[in-house]
Amino acid sequence: GAGVSQSPSNKVTEKGKDVELRCDPISGHTALYWYRQSLGQGLEFLIYFQGNSAPDKSGLPSDRFSAERTGGSVSTLTIQRTQQEDSAVYLCASSLTVWDRGTDTQYFGPGTRLTVL
Amino acid sequence: SQQGEEDPQALSIQEGENATMNCSYKTSINNLQWYRQNSGRGLVHLILIRSNEREKHSGRLRVTLDTSKKSSSLLITASRAADTASYFCATGRQAGTALIFGKGTTLSVSS
Repeated sequence: GAGVSQSPSNKVTEKGKDVELRCDPISGHTALYWYRQSLGQGLEFLIYFQGNSAPDKSGLPSDRFSAERTGGSVSTLTIQRTQQEDSAVYLCASSLTVWDRGTDTQYFGPGTRLTVL
Repeated sequence: SQQGEEDPQALSIQEGENATMNCSYKTSINNLQWYRQNSGRGLVHLILIRSNEREKHSGRLRVTLDTSKKSSSLLITASRAADTASYFCATGRQAGTALIFGKGTTLSVSS
């Protein structure tokens, strides 16, 4: 596609409900990243995919958070039993991986703003 | 954990003036990247400088990198109101790792 897309753009949910956030990366990008940004803060790394596998899940804040990627393309971030502190903008990015070049330029989607009431 | 720290946190200038933002980081890097964010949504890549480079230009942007001091600066010359945004530095390590972002500098350019 032309760029990274994310859906929904906004999600309001009640505490305790599960939510699924979706990311469609740029076609051909093998690497996909999820970040979280709380109001007025920097980006907090959550998880990284290379193809369908996740070699780095170190940023997931708790076992309520999980993510998967299928077909080396679309990724879904799932938050179970949402809490108010989960409220944030969730950003997805994709990039090429050139193994002798270091972390490459990341292309970001517009984000999903999650509000947990 | 955050690798880059931007300074200042906020900067207000008039149109036509230059804006300088600084970034410090802690560990060794492969490259350093600057991103811009409007209205708290998606980030846009501005420029990437590799660890063996000292200075890079792109239009009105000038980035410097001093690996001995573990610091970088972003200079925006002849600023415009449309440059109003948050600017983040991000450090890149080996391929297959995530960027580590700082907390950002909020730039306000008034006309």
